[in-house]
Amino acid sequence: QKEVEQNSGPLSVPEGAIASLNCTYSDRVSQSFFWYRQYSGKSPELIMSIYSNGDKEDGRFTAQLNKASQYVSLLIRDSQPSDSATYLCAVNLMGGFKTIFGAGTRLFVKA
Amino acid sequence: GAGVSQSPRYKVAKRGQDVALRCDPISGHVSLFWYQQALGQGPEFLTYFQNEAQLDKSGLPSDRFFAERPEGSVSTLKIQRTQQEDSAVYLCASSPLGTGNYGYTFGSGTRLTVV
Repeated sequence: QKEVEQNSGPLSVPEGAIASLNCTYSDRVSQSFFWYRQYSGKSPELIMSIYSNGDKEDGRFTAQLNKASQYVSLLIRDSQPSDSATYLCAVNLMGGFKTIFGAGTRLFVKA
Repeated sequence: GAGVSQSPRYKVAKRGQDVALRCDPISGHVSLFWYQQALGQGPEFLTYFQNEAQLDKSGLPSDRFFAERPEGSVSTLKIQRTQQEDSAVYLCASSPLGTGNYGYTFGSGTRLTVV
């Protein structure tokens, strides 16, 4: 079992819709959780971090964490074509310095 | 500097050639990480420095891979006797704190192609 698992997609949503991206992780002592966005040919860019159970909102983005279910999600409201990218889920172990990445979910937002 | 700078952006190496990839982190950032990203995959951890100390090199695929950060700033990832399976994008990231718990800033990466 991979440490961080994501559906590779592609996930296709129409412009203006809500895109929902999901991630599960295997290590129960994971402490910090991140979503990175990676455009084709570019490097990953940190867009959200979440550390405690519940929701965290930043503009059109909402990260959701459920540690009991070992599940992290990212919602993108009012999706725009410019949101088309690969979204990487990443997890840090408690007290650790190493971040483990999932393989990413490709998102396409159709105009 | 304003961001993490990596050079070269692209490198084509003949199989068996040695290569050196450079990373210049954000000024003052304590932590520096190297990742390898194959096409269609997420970044895979290679190694971690806290200042000049290499605290974890568990991700280096073989003893052909070597990294250093002698003065706690610029880092170099060296690959000896390159093989085709080494072809990937090599990403450097830095973080101001001594942990990765607050996320990274990545450089633009070096795309290595071994022919």
